Amino acid sequence: SQQGEEDPQALSIQEGENATMNCSYKTSINNLQWYRQNSGRGLVHLILIRSNEREKHSGRLRVTLDTSKKSSSLLITASRAADTASYFCATDFNNDMRFGAGTRLTVKP
Amino acid sequence: NAGVTQTPKFRVLKTGQSMTLLCAQDMNHEYMYWYRQDPGMGLRLIHYSVGEGTTAKGEVPDGYNVSRLKKQNFLLGLESAAPSQTSVYFCASRTRGGLGTDTQYFGPGTRLTVL
Repeated sequence: SQQGEEDPQALSIQEGENATMNCSYKTSINNLQWYRQNSGRGLVHLILIRSNEREKHSGRLRVTLDTSKKSSSLLITASRAADTASYFCATDFNNDMRFGAGTRLTVKP
Repeated sequence: NAGVTQTPKFRVLKTGQSMTLLCAQDMNHEYMYWYRQDPGMGLRLIHYSVGEGTTAKGEVPDGYNVSRLKKQNFLLGLESAAPSQTSVYFCASRTRGGLGTDTQYFGPGTRLTVL
């Protein structure tokens, strides 16, 4: 079974708004990663947060991790139409990678 | 650098046929992975390898075999294809850093249809 579960499954916002996606997982992790996938393409790594970290930033991305709640969130600020894609969280525990089903983000111009 | 490449990009098989998917990476990565992605779902790990000559099972290994004879190549084989194996297959690789330090680089995917 898949480890991570993203919420919501789909999100539609206007350009300039912020987008928040959540990920919950079930077991221990070494790190949690977020990936982006444009339709029909491979996944592109966005950001990695280690199990001993609580927050990380990269450009317009902000990731938080709460290991006590086994949850993570990805915030995309000032969204652009080009951010339209599917976003996946993936947990990594001793080289065993588990992906969630993803959040489909649509940013309307 | 080409990064991670996959061959072929598309393939249609009949039930019972066999085929091999090739993944190649030119980044000298130690770890390589094979995933499948079904419609509306995330990726599921089939098999992975932590080095030349080694392989291990992932979440959904049944019906697949793999080999890592060379560090840069990771082959995924289907001995007797079934319609349930219709999917998009992704290969990925990463370096062997300390746990929790390295990210995966993905290939463009192979779309396989089994009739």
